[in-house]
Amino acid sequence: DTGVSQDPRHKITKRGQNVTFRCDPISEHNRLYWYRQTLGQGPEFLTYFQNEAQLEKSRLLSDRFSAERPKGSFSTLEIQRTEQGDSAMYLCASSLARTDSGNTIYFGEGSWLTVV
Amino acid sequence: ELKVEQNPLFLSMQEGKNYTIYCNYSTTSDRLYWYRQDPGKSLESLFVLLSNGAVKQEGRLMASLDTKARLSTLHITAAVHDLSATYFCAVTRAGNQFYFGTGTSLTVIP
Repeated sequence: DTGVSQDPRHKITKRGQNVTFRCDPISEHNRLYWYRQTLGQGPEFLTYFQNEAQLEKSRLLSDRFSAERPKGSFSTLEIQRTEQGDSAMYLCASSLARTDSGNTIYFGEGSWLTVV
Repeated sequence: ELKVEQNPLFLSMQEGKNYTIYCNYSTTSDRLYWYRQDPGKSLESLFVLLSNGAVKQEGRLMASLDTKARLSTLHITAAVHDLSATYFCAVTRAGNQFYFGTGTSLTVIP
């Protein structure tokens, strides 16, 4: 079994560089979410996909951030022209959309980004 | 915007003691979740509460939901060191976006 996997787990980059994170959800899950978490805070919603469609984006997702899920399977989150304030853990999660007993979302291990 | 508040933010308790963590949310929500996070790790799902009066228990943890008061509690019974972690509650509206609280950092002291 494989849960949600993310790559890379850690990334250190210089300010102004672009970075890309990849997420592979649990295989039968049709929903995929990206969250950002900083130290001492709870995860903050960035965006989510149902299959390949990006259905919702947070105001936190500035125009330097872009997420894709081209075939409804894995997803990428790209941050262009990174800033120090982008330093955080980027969490991916997936779920199976259903209306019965609550679609718990399952989180990956996260990708830590440090912008220096 | 839906806001979720937890208290306390930090909790230090002795092994064997009982305590309760509180989660308040600002507007109507359809589901409430509790997650656990160990340092440097991802979030592990503990409970999903779907309706008013729902109560779920797993080991030394018990979660309840009062939708009229917009309040959920996570009760810890006879704490043990292994329960040391950060606990988050989260609510959803329309089942899509999860709104998380700021977390409660629990340390159980031997």
